[in-house]
Amino acid sequence: DARVTQTPRHKVTEMGQEVTMRCQPILGHNTVFWYRQTMMQGLELLAYFRNRAPLDDSGMPKDRFSAEMPDATLATLKIQPSEPRDSAVYFCASGLENTEAFFGQGTRLTVV
Amino acid sequence: GIQVEQSPPDLILQEGANSTLRCNFSDSVNNLQWFHQNPWGQLINLFYIPSGTKQNGRLSATTVATERYSLLYISSSQTTDSGVYFCAGRGYNFNKFYFGSGTKLNVKP
Repeated sequence: DARVTQTPRHKVTEMGQEVTMRCQPILGHNTVFWYRQTMMQGLELLAYFRNRAPLDDSGMPKDRFSAEMPDATLATLKIQPSEPRDSAVYFCASGLENTEAFFGQGTRLTVV
Repeated sequence: GIQVEQSPPDLILQEGANSTLRCNFSDSVNNLQWFHQNPWGQLINLFYIPSGTKQNGRLSATTVATERYSLLYISSSQTTDSGVYFCAGRGYNFNKFYFGSGTKLNVKP
């Protein structure tokens, strides 16, 4: 049963701490998306990778956020330092170009 | 970027009723999808429908790509259909995924 796996599912951290979220895309998928969902902003695209190369991270606050794909089976999203306004659900999705994309279950981040 | 407009934003139905949700795009997209976000927050794939019509049980979807809109039909609604329905499409440049703001559906028993 192929699925996008995100860890951790929940994270509570103190302001100023580093947060790392991980995503294992579906094997063989070459596109990976990171989204943030809040009540106010809905689903916002943070970063988009194709064949592990970042194509678009214009939606990501550059001063504190970074996204990487160290290999084809792992995508990471880091926040350093974290702030309360970063509290949200972070989704990862994967797919092949020009086909259906699938979402992970998300990481619910709370920064206190 | 591409603007995605979904209507209605909120919908309350009595169990058993039918409904139509609409999604309009400001520019041409490919890989149009419909998702259901359940009360637990999971985004479930409903349809991958770049064009044409598809049916899956009580749900069906139609996309008219040339007119840049898609419709999701829910028939004989059930309380388990409650949640938020999103449409999303990828632009032809860079394949970015553009989401609508969703239709929040509440089906009452």
